[in-house]
Amino acid sequence: NAGVTQTPKFQVLKTGQSMTLQCAQDMNHNSMYWYRQDPGMGLRLIYYSASEGTTDKGEVPNGYNVSRLNKREFSLRLESAAPSQTSVYFCAGTRGDEQFFGPGTRLTVL
Amino acid sequence: GENVEQHPSTLSVQEGDSAVIKCTYSDSASNYFPWYKQELGKRPQLIIDIRSNVGEKKDQRIAVTLNKTAKHFSLHITETQPEDSAVYFCAAPSGGSNYKLTFGKGTLLTVNP
Repeated sequence: NAGVTQTPKFQVLKTGQSMTLQCAQDMNHNSMYWYRQDPGMGLRLIYYSASEGTTDKGEVPNGYNVSRLNKREFSLRLESAAPSQTSVYFCAGTRGDEQFFGPGTRLTVL
Repeated sequence: GENVEQHPSTLSVQEGDSAVIKCTYSDSASNYFPWYKQELGKRPQLIIDIRSNVGEKKDQRIAVTLNKTAKHFSLHITETQPEDSAVYFCAAPSGGSNYKLTFGKGTLLTVNP
């Protein structure tokens, strides 16, 4: 039982490059989330998926897209990375009301 | 949407002292208030939560209190230990659903031996 897993752990991109952050969970969560964490800003919701087949915007969705591929997987895509997207990205799933976070992806955009 | 304010942003205490972190929220319909702890370089983890039908909840050295009238809730840590050093986040539901949370900006707690 791995919980919530994320790949990659670290990534460096150049401005304008694209990439997809992967998230998978084996805890049978219905809801899944993508957050970004910046110093002094807490955890800000980018997108979430309340159930398989649905996705909705969170607080800071601009520059991102998501795909809920199936119940287990929820990916986050940056189509054209910008330095402002340098951050730590956390995926999470919910069981009951508790959110379980993945280990995070540290992304740097040069 | 929900607005969550958290204070202080940093807190330094001596080992054995108590620590209190406070949060306010804006949506009077909110009914679930979790606290997450994030150690350096690690993922956030739930440490305690409270629902609106109770005013206080305790779990060993940590407790959370809720004042729905004033729309604020607080985390209390007693007999602090160095391993309590971490960033603590409060959260409240947004959009009328417990599965979508708005987080406070966090409090960096340092417990000095």
